[in-house]
Amino acid sequence: AQSVSQHNHHVILSEAASLELGCNYSYGGTVNLFWYVQYPGQHLQLLLKYFSGDPLVKGIKGFEAEFIKSKFSFNLRKPSVQWSDTAEYFCAVRLGGGYNKLIFGAGTRLAVHP
Amino acid sequence: EAGVTQFPSHSVIEKGQTVTLRCDPISGHDNLYWYRRVMGKEIKFLLHFVKESKQDESGMPNNRFLAERTGGTYSTLKVQPAELEDSGVYFCASSQERGVGETQYFGPGTRLLVL
Repeated sequence: AQSVSQHNHHVILSEAASLELGCNYSYGGTVNLFWYVQYPGQHLQLLLKYFSGDPLVKGIKGFEAEFIKSKFSFNLRKPSVQWSDTAEYFCAVRLGGGYNKLIFGAGTRLAVHP
Repeated sequence: EAGVTQFPSHSVIEKGQTVTLRCDPISGHDNLYWYRRVMGKEIKFLLHFVKESKQDESGMPNNRFLAERTGGTYSTLKVQPAELEDSGVYFCASSQERGVGETQYFGPGTRLLVL
């Protein structure tokens, strides 16, 4: 069955540190890729998405992600985190071929300390 | 523009009782999805409506779950009778497009606790 793996369940960083959250998926066909974020007490929000074209995509709040097809990966990065980035981050995949549902990873809880 | 709304935000019920969750999608969005997150696990797809029709219900756990979307607007998800393992956060999402280019917008979720 298709699945999405997020390697880190909990990440703790100090402000200004760099962030990279791993995401790998198991599917050999065409995919759309997403990162969603859930800030404390808020709903899931779209951070960025990849459909086609440039594999380096930029999202809101200084986040970016790179699609590496050969590695089935879509890692999320931010060069310098802020306390306000404390949240849970979800990687999601939509398979090609007419499927609409999203397949999510288990999520990564990020805590940024001032 | 109002986002996806869900009601109630929290529900605590006893095993064997019935609970109905409601989702109001963004106006004009034909696609409506239900997802569930059991504590500590990944968010899992339950089902997908296109207008009032069930497009994909492959994620529904069993026949204790019934989803409806009469008139193609809001949707309800009823759990009857509820079991302990039904506890979790139930998310609703909606979208306008289908296929490539589709972005799903999520509601705040309903936290269900079955005691």
